[in-house]
Amino acid sequence: DSGVTQTPKHLITATGQRVTLRCSPRSGDLSVYWYQQSLDQGLQFLIQYYNGEERAKGNILERFSAQQFPDLHSELNLSSLELGDSALYFCASSPTRIGELFFGEGSRLTVL
Amino acid sequence: GNSVTQMEGPVTLSEEAFLTINCTYTATGYPSLFWYVQYPGEGLQLLLKATKADDKGSNKGFEATYRKETTSFHLEKGSVQVSDSAVYFCALGTSYDKVIFGPGTSLSVIP
Repeated sequence: DSGVTQTPKHLITATGQRVTLRCSPRSGDLSVYWYQQSLDQGLQFLIQYYNGEERAKGNILERFSAQQFPDLHSELNLSSLELGDSALYFCASSPTRIGELFFGEGSRLTVL
Repeated sequence: GNSVTQMEGPVTLSEEAFLTINCTYTATGYPSLFWYVQYPGEGLQLLLKATKADDKGSNKGFEATYRKETTSFHLEKGSVQVSDSAVYFCALGTSYDKVIFGPGTSLSVIP
């Protein structure tokens, strides 16, 4: 158990819909990262927050947004969903700024 | 930009065989280097790390040495077990708080 909690574990929805994925980091970790893992794209970095502020941005689509709240939990919002958005979405938290990450078990999104 | 390249899989080995998974990187500055492992149905776990040139990271019988001159961080294990079957990711972290992962190498160990 990494201490990082992600909900929901599985989600099935239709194209055009909007979903929210939630992440609770390990106690005391200020950094939260979001990654997308798919078979053809591998592990893609989406976005990182540090203590409520966006710190780094990767290949995140404009249809996707995220935020980190004062209690340090984070949410990833995916809208206007497409079939290609089907993937595993991982959240990770870090106690340092050098990138030692602790991953949650992921949220598996299936878009039909 | 920063990037990580690692050998393509899948790799299939017999139990007790020697393992090497190659990893090379491109980065500005002085990155930290990591190996992560993902067992089936689970999230990634940090396996080992090295934060400066010539550092050797080690854990669970796995080792990797940070080689600045060859920009490499190859993963090795002297004798693999069936329980080592997983996907292995090489990664680098920079001072800009972004961790870049390689594409992953799938390892299957057969009895």
